[in-house]
Formats: sequence, C-alpha cells, structure tokens
Amino acid sequence: QKEVEQNSGPLSVPEGAIASLNCTYSDRVSQSFFWYRQYSGKSPELIMSIYSNGDKEDGRFTAQLNKASQYVSLLIRDSQPSDSATYLCAVTETGGGADGLTFGKGTHLIIQP
Amino acid sequence: DVKVTQSSRYLVKRTGEKVFLECVQDMDHENMFWYRQDPGLGLRLIYFSYDVKMKEKGDIPEGYSVSREKKERFSLILESASTNQTSMYLCASGRGITEAFFGQGTRLTVV
Repeated sequence: QKEVEQNSGPLSVPEGAIASLNCTYSDRVSQSFFWYRQYSGKSPELIMSIYSNGDKEDGRFTAQLNKASQYVSLLIRDSQPSDSATYLCAVTETGGGADGLTFGKGTHLIIQP
Repeated sequence: DVKVTQSSRYLVKRTGEKVFLECVQDMDHENMFWYRQDPGLGLRLIYFSYDVKMKEKGDIPEGYSVSREKKERFSLILESASTNQTSMYLCASGRGITEAFFGQGTRLTVV
C-alpha cells in the first residue's frame, strides 16, 4: 500500500520568511504529485502539481521533486498570514486510468505576523 | 471554474439508517472520487469511478457502496449507518492523470 509521510507540525514561520514543507512517499511507481492547501473547516484546494524531477514555480510557490530520493517539497516565499493552513501532499500513479490520490496527513503551517 | 457540489453540508442520521450522499460536477470529468477525512487519519479513499457505471474500491470500501448512473453524478451509499462512519465526506472529480477538485464536504454524524 502506498504511504505518504509528512511532518504534522505545527510549523511556525515568521511573516515574510520562506516556509519549507516536505513529503516522502513509499511507492516508486508514483508519477504525479500534488500539493493541496486546506483551511480549517474547508475542503482541500489544489495549489501545485509536479510530474518531473526538478523545480516548478508558480508565483510565491515552488514545488520540488526528487524521484530518486522519493521526496517532494513545497516552498512558500514571502509567507503571509493568509498562508496559515494545513498543507496536504498527494501522490498517484499515471498509466491512463484513475486510481485515486493517496494523501499524507498534512503539515499544519502557522505564519506569525 | 470547476464546480463540485455535494448535496448536504451537514447531516445527522441514526444508526442503521441507509444514507445517500450525492455529488455533482459540472466539468464533464471522467473521474470521480469519494474520500473521508478524520482527525489523525487524514484523507482516505473510499471508492472511485472512471466512467459511467464503473466503480473501483479504494482503501476503505467496507460498509459503503457507490452509484454512477450519469457522468456528472456520483453517489455514496451507507447501507446501514454506524457510529464509526461519523466523518467528513469529500467528493472530488478530475480528468486524465487524476488531478482532483473537491466539493465543499458533508459532515455526517451518526447517532
């Protein structure tokens, strides 16, 4: 069974600093990787997807993937109080059909004003 | 914008009742999913469907069934609700390599 591991936190970061969130996964055939943000009482919202090794940048967010080491990370630059949320890492296999996302339990991020 | 709509935000049911949770998406997505989310356990996949009338078991299908008669609608059925099925239920839809967009969630309490 696929496993996705995240540090539950809370991870406390001062406003304006870089927040670094990490995720490791067990299944070597995993091919697609996603980061979701979930505010308390709300449903998860997709913020980043990454499919190949290296970095992918979108605004203040950068996703990093290293398939050899089986980890994926999310960097948030210039952290804002509105970034305070739980961040969920999710992985899945590709191959044409759906098999559903496997989620980590999430990292609770707190941005301190 | 993708819209995934779940029929109820909050639901209270009695033990032994048959419970239907409905989910509708408006983006013509092939794939639809049902998850439950519990504190300390995270999001766990119950069932998913990649086409009309097709269904696949996820990680925790016991006590649940699903129905997908139309592409836009995916229903989760609790045949005989039990207290350990008290949870937040999240429906999601997606296309291709399973990027998933979530509905607002249904918080189900079984008493």
